[in-house]
Amino acid sequence: DVKVTQSSRYLVKRTGEKVFLECVQDMDHENMFWYRQDPGLGLRLIYFSYDVKMKEKGDIPEGYSVSREKKERFSLILESASTNQTSMYLCASSLPGTGVFEQYFGPGTRLTVT
Amino acid sequence: GQSLEQPSEVTAVEGAIVQINCTYQTSGFYGLSWYQQHDGGAPTFLSYNALDGLEETGRFSSFLSRSDSYGYLLLQELQMKDSASYFCAVMMNSGGYQKVTFGTGTKLQVIP
Repeated sequence: DVKVTQSSRYLVKRTGEKVFLECVQDMDHENMFWYRQDPGLGLRLIYFSYDVKMKEKGDIPEGYSVSREKKERFSLILESASTNQTSMYLCASSLPGTGVFEQYFGPGTRLTVT
Repeated sequence: GQSLEQPSEVTAVEGAIVQINCTYQTSGFYGLSWYQQHDGGAPTFLSYNALDGLEETGRFSSFLSRSDSYGYLLLQELQMKDSASYFCAVMMNSGGYQKVTFGTGTKLQVIP
């Protein structure tokens, strides 16, 4: 059974803290993605990676960075958390190339920055 | 850039048929996907159209017209469990990579 897991379901951090969100997939997928989801704004792409050690900016990369040291793991880093980064963060994976049309999502991490 | 438009909310009666439309503007278009997301849950893939026409999967069908930059998701024999948000997503070639951009979602409420 296809599985994408995220390290935390809920997370509360303080402004200025460095925050790590971890995502692991067991499907041997090349592609991995990080999105944030906010009411009325849908899913917005933060960063994506199509191979180990490869990363590309999505539509809203400001204030975030990522790391992909192993194929199965894709980490999202908030260098200095701010209140406007309070959101639901969703990780996804897919097969390569045009396989991106079918993405498998993790359960999400609801991050609150106070 | 790219943009997608879909209605924010739709209400339909159990047993009826509902159509959720999606219009898009993008370059390098490959195809259109649909995802379902229940409250508190993760988005799950429903369907994908790369070519014009209708794709049917059980009670759900999806349609694409590339010339009109338009697609829709059709849900038949609506059930209460179909109450969820539905997202269209365009797949495109951007900067040499295949990327997906999601719409803002349509919240479907099925009423008895």
